[in-house]
Amino acid sequence: GNSVTQMEGPVTLSEEAFLTINCTYTATGYPSLFWYVQYPGEGLQLLLKATKADDKGSNKGFEATYRKETTSFHLEKGSVQVSDSAVYFCALLNAGNNRKLIWGLGTSLAVNP
Amino acid sequence: GAGVSQSPSNKVTEKGKDVELRCDPISGHTALYWYRQSLGQGLEFLIYFQGNSAPDKSGLPSDRFSAERTGGSVSTLTIQRTQQEDSAVYLCASSSPGSGIYEQYFGPGTRLTVT
Repeated sequence: GNSVTQMEGPVTLSEEAFLTINCTYTATGYPSLFWYVQYPGEGLQLLLKATKADDKGSNKGFEATYRKETTSFHLEKGSVQVSDSAVYFCALLNAGNNRKLIWGLGTSLAVNP
Repeated sequence: GAGVSQSPSNKVTEKGKDVELRCDPISGHTALYWYRQSLGQGLEFLIYFQGNSAPDKSGLPSDRFSAERTGGSVSTLTIQRTQQEDSAVYLCASSSPGSGIYEQYFGPGTRLTVT
């Protein structure tokens, strides 16, 4: 079945460090891929998305490229800020009938000043 | 515009009581989802409504859980005879087929604590 695996946290970085959060998936067909973010005390928000191979999603300085050959969608940011501290979830959208999101377990990121 | 809203934001109940959680999706969104987020775990799909089609209930963990969606808009998730393991944040999301990408927009969640 479809599944998403993302790196375990917590990840702790200093401000302006480079961030990578790994995400790999298993899916039939051609799913869409998403990164969601949950800031402390807030609800889940869509961060970025990609719908087909080689697409690059980007938002707020974050990027992720849909790599079909490696079944990956790693999240990257060149210079993190304290305000990026949050939990990041990788997800894929099942191309089947119910359109439900299949989620990774989330990666907690803490950025220290 | 208005996003997905959920009520109550917090609910504390005694074991064995029934609870109802409400979700108001974004106007015009025909798809509505319920998820559960337990402490230290990822999101767990519960149920999916799409227009007038029969809902996908494949994620409901037991027959104590049920959900309905009236008039294609507001949805209520009901948990009967609550147990301590039901304690979690219950998230509602909606999406529009017109988006072409089926992005799901989430509400702030209802934090349920069963004592």
